[in-house]
Amino acid sequence: NAGVMQNPRHLVRRRGQEARLRCSPMKGHSHVYWYRQLPEEGLKFMVYLQKENIIDESGMPKERFSAEFPKEGPSILRIQQVVRGDSAAYFCASSLRGLAGEEQYFGPGTRLTVT
Amino acid sequence: SQQGEEDPQALSIQEGENATMNCSYKTSINNLQWYRQNSGRGLVHLILIRSNEREKHSGRLRVTLDTSKKSSSLLITASRAADTASYFCATSQVGGSTLGRLYFGRGTQLTVWP
Repeated sequence: NAGVMQNPRHLVRRRGQEARLRCSPMKGHSHVYWYRQLPEEGLKFMVYLQKENIIDESGMPKERFSAEFPKEGPSILRIQQVVRGDSAAYFCASSLRGLAGEEQYFGPGTRLTVT
Repeated sequence: SQQGEEDPQALSIQEGENATMNCSYKTSINNLQWYRQNSGRGLVHLILIRSNEREKHSGRLRVTLDTSKKSSSLLITASRAADTASYFCATSQVGGSTLGRLYFGRGTQLTVWP
């Protein structure tokens, strides 16, 4: 499967726990974007990463959220001390060159439910 | 701020009819893309139209772009029940530090009845 992979597909966490969402980009892609989708809404940009670098994190909440894309392995979006408002679908996308307006290929998403 | 806004929010038609969805945006763009999302699934890229293009076709899809009105339309001809999904427009802004970021609207929920 050469597409964008995300896991887990569904994640349930209690308030106060940590959530780790993983994203493996398409083969050959080194640019990764994370988006969040609340029910009945469009996707909102969170963070853009290239291997080992955060390029744009202006969409990330200032606290509890962090992202990384190490040299080896998947990109990880980490949410500490989750709250009910974090319940959403989190999508990862990747692109080949990271150019403005370049087509982004999306993964199936991780649906986070905070109880 | 959110860039694109789709209209209508929901559209319900019979198989065989055409479906038209509109998208308006606020600032200058590099290009505009349309994506489709089936319920509970990820997004599938449908078509990209550049800011210097006015119309583009792909199979049963026709996209127009009017940069003077800052609007785009997606037409699906001869719709099928399998076209039932949410459709989103996404824009890429010119300049600034927003390289790579896409701005999505809230989407149009299309239902095609057999």
